[in-house]
Amino acid sequence: NAGVTQTPKFRVLKTGQSMTLLCAQDMNHEYMYWYRQDPGMGLRLIHYSVGEGTTAKGEVPDGYNVSRLKKQNFLLGLESAAPSQTSVYFCASTLAPSGGTDTQYFGPGTRLTVL
Amino acid sequence: DAKTTQPPSMDCAEGRAANLPCNHSTISGNEYVYWYRQIHSQGPQYIIHGLKNNETNEMASLIITEDRKSSTLILPHATLRDTAVYYCIVRANSNSGYALNFGKGTSLLVTP
Repeated sequence: NAGVTQTPKFRVLKTGQSMTLLCAQDMNHEYMYWYRQDPGMGLRLIHYSVGEGTTAKGEVPDGYNVSRLKKQNFLLGLESAAPSQTSVYFCASTLAPSGGTDTQYFGPGTRLTVL
Repeated sequence: DAKTTQPPSMDCAEGRAANLPCNHSTISGNEYVYWYRQIHSQGPQYIIHGLKNNETNEMASLIITEDRKSSTLILPHATLRDTAVYYCIVRANSNSGYALNFGKGTSLLVTP
């Protein structure tokens, strides 16, 4: 049981390049999330998914797209990277919130630098 | 969503209890208080959560005031490995897929 894994761990992009971050979980969780964390700040929600084939926007969705074609995977795409997207990206998952008793499990993060 | 207020930083001597306060005066009746922590460069880790009653697990205790407007996370015997940023979170409503609303947290430094 690997939990939540993220690929890659580090990446450097030039402005205008594109890339996809992969999040995978092996806990059969329904809900998955993508957050970003800037230096000295808390995490902010980019997009989330409440099940296979569904996605929704979070607090800071501009410049990102997501897909959830398989239940275990949640992909975050940057079509045209900008320096403002330099950040640490965390993926999280949870079984299915019910009655406020769920726990979110986080991946180790992807450190992205856009030059 | 209820917002939380935490001190930006705290110190604690190793072996002593660390008491981390959190104010959440606008919390709604059905909103839970969650605590997560983030050790440097790692993903956040769940610690504990509660609704009304005090809660205890192998990591910590959570004390919630009777009016639910504030809470305290207690690490009974802090170790150097407890140095981290601690986030008090009142969870977002279902419109955000129950996402966690992180603030800046409290940076706890445990010293030898």
